Amino acid sequence: DARVTQTPRHKVTEMGQEVTMRCQPILGHNTVFWYRQTMMQGLELLAYFRNRAPLDDSGMPKDRFSAEMPDATLATLKIQPSEPRDSAVYFCASGLRGFYGYTFGSGTRLTVV
Amino acid sequence: KQEVTQIPAALSVPEGENLVLNCSFTDSAIYNLQWFRQDPGKGLTSLLLIQSSQREQTSGRLNASLDKSSGRSTLYIAASQPGDSATYLCALESLQGSRLTFGEGTQLTVNP
Repeated sequence: DARVTQTPRHKVTEMGQEVTMRCQPILGHNTVFWYRQTMMQGLELLAYFRNRAPLDDSGMPKDRFSAEMPDATLATLKIQPSEPRDSAVYFCASGLRGFYGYTFGSGTRLTVV
Repeated sequence: KQEVTQIPAALSVPEGENLVLNCSFTDSAIYNLQWFRQDPGKGLTSLLLIQSSQREQTSGRLNASLDKSSGRSTLYIAASQPGDSATYLCALESLQGSRLTFGEGTQLTVNP
């Protein structure tokens, strides 16, 4: 089965450090989502892309978060500087708009101390 | 803006019981509705996808229905098993912008 691959699986970092999370979408998928999940907030949509172009990043704190798709095989989510409140699981999902639904990666569990 | 509500938030049933999970939404302009399962500490696993033009989909003991006119979907689980214990989430892909909006989920516990 085709998979969405996220790296790293776990990340512990100190407050103020830069964090980069990576996602390899399934080949041929044209839409990529980034979500954040916490116990308190559930799943929050941070940003999403179609054909590598950002469609909506209104869910991200703009001053510290950035999301990009440098090519069709890689999506990145960066936090700089990181804060303890950023501790969460970050999920990436990919799919074809309107078809077959979306496939989620296993997530990156981020802990900022 | 699409709003998705799942009721109940938590459900505990004895093994073998048939059960229904509910998902309601405010905007019927959707491509599709997808049901996911999430085990503790794990990612989301897709269970069923219903296209906007469809009324239901079945996979094994799972049956999902979609009624756009009333803004509702149900996930029916037959003969529940302890292995079905997980959080179940519904998500809708909007026609405008293709935003994927999730409900808060129903946490299901099936007791042996």
